[in-house]
Amino acid sequence: QSALTQPPSASGSPGQSVTISCTGTSSDVGGYNYVSWYQQHPGKAPKLMIYEVIKRPSGVPDRFSGSKSGNTASLTVSGLQAEDEADYYCSSYAGNNNVVFGGGTKLTVL
Amino acid sequence: EVQLLESGGGLVQPGGSLRLSCAASGFSFSGYAMSWVRQAPGKGLEWVSGISNTGDSTYYADSVKGRFTISRDNSKNTLYVQMDSLRAEDTAVYYCAKGLTSGWYPWFDPWGQGTLVTVSS
Repeated sequence: QSALTQPPSASGSPGQSVTISCTGTSSDVGGYNYVSWYQQHPGKAPKLMIYEVIKRPSGVPDRFSGSKSGNTASLTVSGLQAEDEADYYCSSYAGNNNVVFGGGTKLTVL
Repeated sequence: EVQLLESGGGLVQPGGSLRLSCAASGFSFSGYAMSWVRQAPGKGLEWVSGISNTGDSTYYADSVKGRFTISRDNSKNTLYVQMDSLRAEDTAVYYCAKGLTSGWYPWFDPWGQGTLVTVSS
């Protein structure tokens, strides 16, 4: 399977909102409501931020929200904070018990 | 607190084998599916393999199918992956990650700190 497509970078000022897109196909993002998002700070392990398109694990601030339209999923970070600066990866179930990730987006808080 | 501690990484020659372990604590290990995810140096994430809470069901990425074998010992709270016929492109940090339920679903939380596998002659 091909990786999901994410923009390499995104940025916003503190307090602003930023949206990161994740584009796949009808065989992955568009075919299942099994999209998740991970945050990874440099040198650290990834952390689950969103799963099943819109659900937040316990402890994740409600500033983080997910959505999906067709073959494109999105992660929106509202009220940007300095600690939100990190790499963000989307992933999706791709059928036949396979999972595909996006290439990652580096979020910079200006 | 959930803790996942990977071990077993290192330098191995192409064609060689390695077994990674992930010692789990802080939760009822036998109640959750588990997975391995890897990240090549400076690259993105790649799902490798998953296993249900009982070990009855296993899942593999096409890139490792037939070469890697995932397993678990619920009596030892430990997850394993046996990696055979290793290739240079298997070089990566390998993360162990916990599922949210007993059945395997494609989301993982939390993750261990990872163990580096380098395949090189």
